[in-house]
Amino acid sequence: AQKVTQAQTEISVVEKEDVTLDCVYETRDTTYYLFWYKQPPSGELVFLIRRNSFDEQNEISGRYSWNFQKSTSSFNFTITASQVVDSAVYFCALSEAFNNNDMRFGAGTRLTVKP
Amino acid sequence: DTAVSQTPKYLVTQMGNDKSIKCEQNLGHDTMYWYKQDSKKFLKIMFSYNNKELIINETVPNRFSPKSPDKAHLNLHINSLELGDSAVYFCASSQDNSGRIYTDTQYFGPGTRLTVL
Repeated sequence: AQKVTQAQTEISVVEKEDVTLDCVYETRDTTYYLFWYKQPPSGELVFLIRRNSFDEQNEISGRYSWNFQKSTSSFNFTITASQVVDSAVYFCALSEAFNNNDMRFGAGTRLTVKP
Repeated sequence: DTAVSQTPKYLVTQMGNDKSIKCEQNLGHDTMYWYKQDSKKFLKIMFSYNNKELIINETVPNRFSPKSPDKAHLNLHINSLELGDSAVYFCASSQDNSGRIYTDTQYFGPGTRLTVL
């Protein structure tokens, strides 16, 4: 069965620090999709990124970057020069669309950025 | 315009009641979902609905039933509410029109916080 592990339950940083949120996944499928979502204190779920298993290129979007490494089954998320508005719970998710037809979320990492 | 909307945002009710949560998406997506987020923030898929095919997570009690009057709507009806049903329920949608689900990005509604007293 697929599994997503976000080992960091809570992280606290001071504004302008860089922070990396870890995500390790487990799947037997060769075709799968990985996602990151942000859940700010207001409660909505905001899509950040989707990556398929055949695309190992790292991605940068402004202060956000993602490091996908199939060799270690990890899809880590880094925020550079963190800001107070980055404070949220961040979820990593895995979908195995071709076998199990399922979507699994990690337990989430609560990031607090202090001024 | 809101892409995925849910009503109500908050729902407080007594044990044993029947209630519904409505979800509408204006993205033209083919697949819709319901998720439950418990007090520990854990998100779990409950249902997915694509082209009139309903896929149910086996752990969901049959007191929960999704109803889709058309492609843009997937409402969640809950019978005989229990204390353990208290949670935030999220509706989501994705393009996924190839017969396979979970491949495209899911866009979530704002959530409905259900409190059962």
